[in-house]
Amino acid sequence: NAGVTQTPKFQVLKTGQSMTLQCAQDMNHNSMYWYRQDPGMGLRLIYYSASEGTTDKGEVPNGYNVSRLNKREFSLRLESAAPSQTSVYFCATNLVGATNEKLFFGSGTQLSVL
Amino acid sequence: RKEVEQDPGPFNVPEGATVAFNCTYSNSASQSFFWYRQDCRKEPKLLMSVYSSGNEDGRFTAQLNRASQYISLLIRDSKLSDSATYLCAGGYSSASKIIFGSGTRLSIRP
Repeated sequence: NAGVTQTPKFQVLKTGQSMTLQCAQDMNHNSMYWYRQDPGMGLRLIYYSASEGTTDKGEVPNGYNVSRLNKREFSLRLESAAPSQTSVYFCATNLVGATNEKLFFGSGTQLSVL
Repeated sequence: RKEVEQDPGPFNVPEGATVAFNCTYSNSASQSFFWYRQDCRKEPKLLMSVYSSGNEDGRFTAQLNRASQYISLLIRDSKLSDSATYLCAGGYSSASKIIFGSGTRLSIRP
């Protein structure tokens, strides 16, 4: 039982390159999230998906796209990476409405854009 | 302005002290509230959910004040192991959208 699995753990990109961060969960949770964390900024919500097939913008969606093709997987794509996207990215899941509702996080992806 | 705001600290208190954090939220439609703990840029882990009636878990007490739109966390008899960043979060849009504050750093000294 892996919980929330993020790949890759580390990535270095050059400005303008594209990449996709993958997130998969085996907890049968309905909601999934992508956050980024920069020093002193806490976690900022990029996009979230309340259920399979739906996605919504969070606080900082510019420069990102997401895809929720099935219940298990929620990917985050950077089409043309910029140095401002250097950050630690966390995927999370949640069973909204459960009595013990809480976010389960992946271990994070450290991304550097040069 | 962020929807959820916290004092970034750092709070530096001696072991055994009581320390309290507040967190304010601007969206009155927020339905669920949480306190998370984060160590050294690892993934955050849930410390407590915050209920309207307030709740306690050992040395930790969380309160919600809907009228003033803030939540609080009280840590009694602080331990060295409590040193971490504490993040508050609020959920709305049927609780699917969860927004975090910027975190409060706590350092407990011997």
